Amino acid sequence: SAVISQKPSRDICQRGTSLTIQCQVDSQVTMMFWYRQQPGQSLTLIATANQGSEATYESGFVIDKFPISRPNLTFSTLTVSNMSPEDSSIYLCSVIQGFGTEAFFGQGTRLTVV
Amino acid sequence: AQSVAQPEDQVNVAEGNPLTVKCTYSVSGNPYLFWYVQYPNRGLQFLLKYITGDNLVKGSYGFEAEFNKSQTSFHLKKPSALVSDSALYFCAVRDGGNRKLIWGLGTSLAVNP
Repeated sequence: SAVISQKPSRDICQRGTSLTIQCQVDSQVTMMFWYRQQPGQSLTLIATANQGSEATYESGFVIDKFPISRPNLTFSTLTVSNMSPEDSSIYLCSVIQGFGTEAFFGQGTRLTVV
Repeated sequence: AQSVAQPEDQVNVAEGNPLTVKCTYSVSGNPYLFWYVQYPNRGLQFLLKYITGDNLVKGSYGFEAEFNKSQTSFHLKKPSALVSDSALYFCAVRDGGNRKLIWGLGTSLAVNP
């Protein structure tokens, strides 16, 4: 299975600022995803990070608010822009390797906006 | 539309007893089914999957799940629960042609000593 390093693990940010979350994988992966999860609740897919092109966003999520980069097959970033307290959540990076079927997850970034 | 249902928000079981966490699904094509576990303040860990073949699949930590096509279910089971199994469990599904997972709402499992 892939080893996924997600940074930072947690942060407390002021409203109106931006935070960039990094996801580094120890091997090349086919698919990378970004999720949001409220503690104790289910996962909501934000977007699929596409290598070398614009991310594919789910309904309710837009590029201006959640810009995503994926410059190569092992790295992606998610930025949470112009943050408000409603953005307080856990953000998770997920990958699928090659022809494999199961997804693997980073440890998550716990974001608190004050 | 694809969907996953976990009908129980919480399951309580005594240590040493068998446990079952329920999951039903709806997909248009052949289902790929998954179970994940999340311990407090941790990311999700893959437990097991059903893609094809034997309806009973075995996974990590002694867990198993049975795929039932007629009932569109994929219940997670363990013969003897441990206190350390207490966690949040998620069922997920996708059809074979789509890499995007559809997630259940999760079931909180509490194993009492």
